[in-house]
Amino acid sequence: QVQLKESGPGLVQPSQTLSLTCTVSGFSLTSYNVHWVRQPPGKGLEWMGRMRYNGDTSYNSALKSRLSISRDTSKNQVFLKMNSLQTDDTGTYYCTRSAYYSRFAYWGQGTLVTVSS
Amino acid sequence: DIQMTQSPASLSASLGETVTIECRASEDIYNGLAWYQQKPGKSPQLLIYNANSLHTGVPSRFSGSGSGTQYSLKINSLQSEDVASYFCQQYYNYPLTFGSGTKLEIK
Repeated sequence: QVQLKESGPGLVQPSQTLSLTCTVSGFSLTSYNVHWVRQPPGKGLEWMGRMRYNGDTSYNSALKSRLSISRDTSKNQVFLKMNSLQTDDTGTYYCTRSAYYSRFAYWGQGTLVTVSS
Repeated sequence: DIQMTQSPASLSASLGETVTIECRASEDIYNGLAWYQQKPGKSPQLLIYNANSLHTGVPSRFSGSGSGTQYSLKINSLQSEDVASYFCQQYYNYPLTFGSGTKLEIK
């Protein structure tokens, strides 16, 4: 069955870089797109960016200068790196899958990232 | 960017009632709209796609409608398990954007 699972540090210091991994199973990264979506505590959802099935990436312009998404298809993993973290980057980070249309039937469990010294 | 304005922010209703949540897009999104349910501590779950298509396994008391810039999610015969937050999302254009959410409680 389709599964996605985020992993990474729960705590990041301000101004440091966040590195998260999304490990997928049940489908191929060369057939589906993987997106990153985040949610501050008690707030709404924000689309961050995506890795397309063909290796192309696109980013939310609000985060583009700080964000990088990459993948390792041999390990079934998609990576998120975001630098210059601030306290308002605290939240739950999800990876999620889409096909041609960017709606999300499959989500990871999410990983809580706290930015604090 | 397409702005999604969702209302109300919170809603309290009795068991068995019908509730409606609205989403307005800042421009025509040509039915490229999904609705999600999110229970506390859980990931969002897809309910509706293409504005009015029910996702597999979702109870038929959930329905979506609308066109152009105006969309709505209706929940008939409210059940206790429907207590959650609900979000709309447009996927007509990038960047993908979400509504701010509606928190549904039982009266």
